[in-house]
Amino acid sequence: DAKTTQPTSMDCAEGRAANLPCNHSTISGNEYVYWYRQIHSQGPQYIIHGLKNNETNEMASLIITEDRKSSTLILPHATLRDTAVYYCIVRVEGSNYKLTFGKGTLLTVNP
Amino acid sequence: NAGVTQTPKFQVLKTGQSMTLQCAQDMNHEYMSWYRQDPGMGLRLIHYSVGAGITDQGEVPNGYNVSRSTTEDFPLRLLSAAPSQTSVYFCASRADFQETQYFGPGTRLLVL
Repeated sequence: DAKTTQPTSMDCAEGRAANLPCNHSTISGNEYVYWYRQIHSQGPQYIIHGLKNNETNEMASLIITEDRKSSTLILPHATLRDTAVYYCIVRVEGSNYKLTFGKGTLLTVNP
Repeated sequence: NAGVTQTPKFQVLKTGQSMTLQCAQDMNHEYMSWYRQDPGMGLRLIHYSVGAGITDQGEVPNGYNVSRSTTEDFPLRLLSAAPSQTSVYFCASRADFQETQYFGPGTRLLVL
């Protein structure tokens, strides 16, 4: 599996967009980028995933660079409830029942 | 739907004791997984199952056993608890045709 690199922590003002970067320079052609988040003491929550095209759902947008070596998760209007650890994971599609989680990025949304 | 449920929520064991962490889902999901999360760390995969009667090892399987006799249940057994198994344990499930993996609320285990 491709290794991912994320910043340890980030801050964002409430109501502003939160842009969380992830580097995955060794990603293979059949590997997808998944994003999960974990609010304190809770189980992780799936956010979004994508292969090469930009993706959007009700929670967030995922922007993947053309060379697929990095991606950005965008929370368009961050709220205090978005404070969580965000994990970027690269896996072959369909195999996300056996994920490998790194330390992720602690996003703190400030009032 | 109750989703993914885990019992107990918290447990204290003495070294050498055995116990079973329960996990159940009512969504008829084929895939189920067990993870552990140590303080300040990400989740690590212990065991997983792709259907009833089929299980396989993950990244850190030593000291744990699993079985999958029904689609709904995926218990995790600690054979002889050790302090190194102090952790938060999460169970997860996923349908065959979906990418969304659902996690339970976790079981906090303290081994003295």
